Amino acid sequence: NAGVTQTPKFRILKIGQSMTLQCAQDMNHNYMYWYRQDPGMGLKLIYYSVGAGITDKGEVPNGYNVSRSTTEDFPLRLELAAPSQTSVYFCASSYSFGQRGATGELFFGEGSRLTVL
Amino acid sequence: GENVEQHPSTLSVQEGDSAVIKCTYSDSASNYFPWYKQELGKRPQLIIDIRSNVGEKKDQRIAVTLNKTAKHFSLHITETQPEDSAVYFCAAQSRGGYQKVTFGTGTKLQVIP
Repeated sequence: NAGVTQTPKFRILKIGQSMTLQCAQDMNHNYMYWYRQDPGMGLKLIYYSVGAGITDKGEVPNGYNVSRSTTEDFPLRLELAAPSQTSVYFCASSYSFGQRGATGELFFGEGSRLTVL
Repeated sequence: GENVEQHPSTLSVQEGDSAVIKCTYSDSASNYFPWYKQELGKRPQLIIDIRSNVGEKKDQRIAVTLNKTAKHFSLHITETQPEDSAVYFCAAQSRGGYQKVTFGTGTKLQVIP
């Protein structure tokens, strides 16, 4: 299993540009999450999904959009990039509690470092 | 919603000493409390977790305690080693509903050789 795969690993955007961060998991996890981590800071939830076709906002959703058309993929769309969106973005996935004896542990991708200039 | 506070934000210990990181949570519906370790430039990874029906759990040099009444939980690392240097995050999660995970702000642990 590849686990959680994020692309790209690095990206520089100009103010006002748009882009999509890709996230794919091959563990058949129901739950998927997008977090951002600013330098020296904690993890803030942007959006999450409990299954294909179902998404909901987290703590900091403004300026982002998501979709979940399949169990495997959970892309994050940035519209009209702003310097405040400079951050490291982590995608994560997990089983439902009790599914296959799972605890709800989050499995993270390697992260995508985004700089908006 | 859930709010998780974590202290201290930085912690320096001598190699071989113990380290303790404390967290509090606000939502009594939270019933799963994982701890993640993030090495510099790496992704967070689970190191230990505890469920609300358990008061203490130990895994070699790492232990976690939970006080449901006070809504406190703590990470204890004994006999610290330089490779324990990292940022540690506590989290609180509800097993029901949307299984949202709320993280603490992190503790940067430095183990001095």
